Amino acid sequence: EVHLVESGGGLVQPGRSLRLSCTASGFTFGDYVMSWVRQAPGKGLEWVGFIRSNTYSGTTENAASVKGRFTISRDDSKSIAYLQMNSLKTEDTAVYYCTRGFAGYWGQGTLVTVSS
Amino acid sequence: DVVMTQSPLSLPVTLGQPASISCRSSQSLVYSDGNTYFNWFQQRPGQSPRRLIYKVSNRESGVPDRFSGSGSGTDFTLKISRVEAEDVGVYYCMQGTQWPYSFGQGTKLEI
Repeated sequence: EVHLVESGGGLVQPGRSLRLSCTASGFTFGDYVMSWVRQAPGKGLEWVGFIRSNTYSGTTENAASVKGRFTISRDDSKSIAYLQMNSLKTEDTAVYYCTRGFAGYWGQGTLVTVSS
Repeated sequence: DVVMTQSPLSLPVTLGQPASISCRSSQSLVYSDGNTYFNWFQQRPGQSPRRLIYKVSNRESGVPDRFSGSGSGTDFTLKISRVEAEDVGVYYCMQGTQWPYSFGQGTKLEI
């Protein structure tokens, strides 16, 4: 059974950094794209970005709203995907979901609150 | 960027009756490989979203067959043949053809 568990969320001040982790199990992690999607409180869904498998160079795509501030990476030996978030803004406050592929399976999400 | 527009945004329904949600994209969602990467998601209250339909009309494993997807090009529809209480939640369409991928605003289905 596919299982995705996000961790690392919390309260952080504007301008600071936070790293989220997505620990996967139940499938061959290295074979899949891994994506991040976020949802601001009471709002809809927004793509953050994704990372290709290393078979396809492990390159990433990021939404314009986070480009230059957020970085997605992966450690296939540990079955973990990461979302490094720098220069956080109040508008980054959201539940961050990790998904397998392009939103085929979702984790439970982790809440990031950016506030002074 | 591709803009996804859903209608209606709120959908009051009666148990046992059919329901339908429309989604329109600002550009054709047919990819160069001939596939149309269009999906429907359900988000029940307090839960993570889950994908119901992928590539327009393919149901995910475990999704009841009362859910069906159809459409082509820029116009797509999600139909529920007979609404059940567990179907309450917000439904999102999503295109995965052109980056940045994008979701519709969501349609709140309520009994």
